[in-house]
Amino acid sequence: AQKITQTQPGMFVQEKEAVTLDCTYDTSDPSYGLFWYKQPSSGEMIFLIYQGSYDQQNATEGRYSLNFQKARKSANLVISASQLGDSAMYFCAMREGLGTNDYKLSFGAGTTVTVRA
Amino acid sequence: DSGVTQTPKHLITATGQRVTLRCSPRSGDLSVYWYQQSLDQGLQFLIQYYNGEERAKGNILERFSAQQFPDLHSELNLSSLELGDSALYFCASSVEAGVGMWDEQFFGPGTRLTVL
Repeated sequence: AQKITQTQPGMFVQEKEAVTLDCTYDTSDPSYGLFWYKQPSSGEMIFLIYQGSYDQQNATEGRYSLNFQKARKSANLVISASQLGDSAMYFCAMREGLGTNDYKLSFGAGTTVTVRA
Repeated sequence: DSGVTQTPKHLITATGQRVTLRCSPRSGDLSVYWYQQSLDQGLQFLIQYYNGEERAKGNILERFSAQQFPDLHSELNLSSLELGDSALYFCASSVEAGVGMWDEQFFGPGTRLTVL
């Protein structure tokens, strides 16, 4: 079964507007972490933001915020005030078993964001 | 720049051949992870090493092997290459602060392997 689902293959957003990227996950582990990575056309993977399953508040990091709805098993990424440089592929990822030494990440299929001027 | 280096950046080879991908983690990071990104499979975890020892294994084929050396750099060996092995191979590293702590994984720029 797919652990991470990103249902939006591609999105267009106008410069300076906000965009929400959807991510739902599937786990029975009570301890897990959710990550978002950005992959520009150059190919590198850039860490954006993290949310732990026990975190009480939604994570924020500059223009990035994570809308964490635990009961719905969703961890949507919100990018505010979009910039042309935000055009990239965005991946949602999960790490289960925070109480173990298992550190591998499971990734979703990704969402391509194109910012229009 | 994440501080993780990977060589070579590009690799073109033929079916049946063997290649070695190299990764140097960030200074101080003890864990190295290998991921494969292909069009049909997406991003998949292959294997993790921690301080020289194999820690976790994912969807890694038997034709693939990896190791982490005493200086903490890692190599991923791919043998009997097939067309379907063409992909972007990422190495990532993390400090691994301890059980129960989250660790950001820093990714290298990747090695793009093309099998002809």
